[in-house]
Amino acid sequence: GAVVSQHPSWVICKSGTSVKIECRSLDFQATTMFWYRQFPKQSLMLMATSNEGSKATYEQGVEKDKFLINHASLTLSTLTVTSAHPEDSSFYICSARLGLAGNNEQFFGPGTRLTVL
Amino acid sequence: AQTVTQSQPEMSVQEAETVTLSCTYDTSESDYYLFWYKQPPSRQMILVIRQEAYKQQNATENRFSVNFQKAAKSFSLKISDSQLGDAAMYFCAYRSAGTGYALNFGKGTSLLVTP
Repeated sequence: GAVVSQHPSWVICKSGTSVKIECRSLDFQATTMFWYRQFPKQSLMLMATSNEGSKATYEQGVEKDKFLINHASLTLSTLTVTSAHPEDSSFYICSARLGLAGNNEQFFGPGTRLTVL
Repeated sequence: AQTVTQSQPEMSVQEAETVTLSCTYDTSESDYYLFWYKQPPSRQMILVIRQEAYKQQNATENRFSVNFQKAAKSFSLKISDSQLGDAAMYFCAYRSAGTGYALNFGKGTSLLVTP
């Protein structure tokens, strides 16, 4: 099946710094990627939808200036958490959609655990 | 907006037995997709089974099957011959057939499998 990677898998940073998380589709081109956030023992909440070559679409309540998303190529999307604070500590998961047809499946990355001190 | 409800925060099943996880959803759309995902302790999301709303036949994948009741907006997952490796969080998810394609997840059900 299609493989999606995320890097790093785990990051610890100081409050006020920025952290970049990469999401790559390794063996397919993904026109659309999604970023989710998951707090401990909770469900996945969609943060934004990222389309290659265009601006990301953010869900209501997600700060665009804090969570910068760039989808510069068909295989790479990045999420940058700017001026991170302890409340941003969470598990961030990306998924990539294979193909353009409506029934195409999404493939998930292994996630990135962010801890802000 | 569509909502997905999983009313069972935790379920337990004995090895080799059968368990059913419940999921209901609310939508005004006629065309959509439904999914069950498994999230083991590794946190990697794994697709268990999917169902297209336009298909009347319930989807089946080996030991996993669904009971899709479109009129009742119900989408339950049955796991037969449960194995220790089935222990995980299970999320029911909805996806519109239209634009966006993002998944809308339920809160999840934690499945414990006992020997």
